[in-house]
Amino acid sequence: KAGVTQTPRYLIKTRGQQVTLSCSPISGHRSVSWYQQTPGQGLQFLFEYFSETQRNKGNFPGRFSGRQFSNSRSEMNVSTLELGDSALYLCASSLGSGPLHFGNGTRLTVT
Amino acid sequence: GENVEQHPSTLSVQEGDSAVIKCTYSDSASNYFPWYKQELGKRPQLIIDIRSNVGEKKDQRIAVTLNKTAKHFSLHITETQPEDSAVYFCAASSRPGGGADGLTFGKGTHLIIQP
Repeated sequence: KAGVTQTPRYLIKTRGQQVTLSCSPISGHRSVSWYQQTPGQGLQFLFEYFSETQRNKGNFPGRFSGRQFSNSRSEMNVSTLELGDSALYLCASSLGSGPLHFGNGTRLTVT
Repeated sequence: GENVEQHPSTLSVQEGDSAVIKCTYSDSASNYFPWYKQELGKRPQLIIDIRSNVGEKKDQRIAVTLNKTAKHFSLHITETQPEDSAVYFCAASSRPGGGADGLTFGKGTHLIIQP
């Protein structure tokens, strides 16, 4: 079974731009969660989607948004990028009540 | 919301010794407590988890203990080996049914195994 796939692996953007990250969950997994990982702050929860509905949301500004498609694939969008948005963005999928399975992440650098 | 504190941030032990990482949580409704291991440059991977109806769980050299009254849980690694070197994250979830979604993570412990 293929694991969680995130694209792209690396991104370099400038301040003020916007970016879209993509996540394909494990086949059969309907829940997709997004996390921001930075040194010293660990893994911070952004949001979670289940069956195309946002089910849970972390404490991030409205510049961070997401969506989920009918095939469970998910996208995360960050608008008006700031330097502090530089991080590893991890996507994780689950059946909804089981353990999370993480992707390899997208490394975003904002200059 | 839930708050998870993890200690220590860095732990260095001699190969063969035991390592213990501790976490506390704030939400008494939390009912699912996984531990993830993240090797350098790799994705976090689940190594063990425990639900609130169990006080201890073991898997070979790894064990997790849970004290619901005190709201803390710990990871124990015995007979440490070089491949145990990694960052370990604890997490907690209060989702009904113990789902893993919307986990709150600790800030991580960098475990260093000295040869």
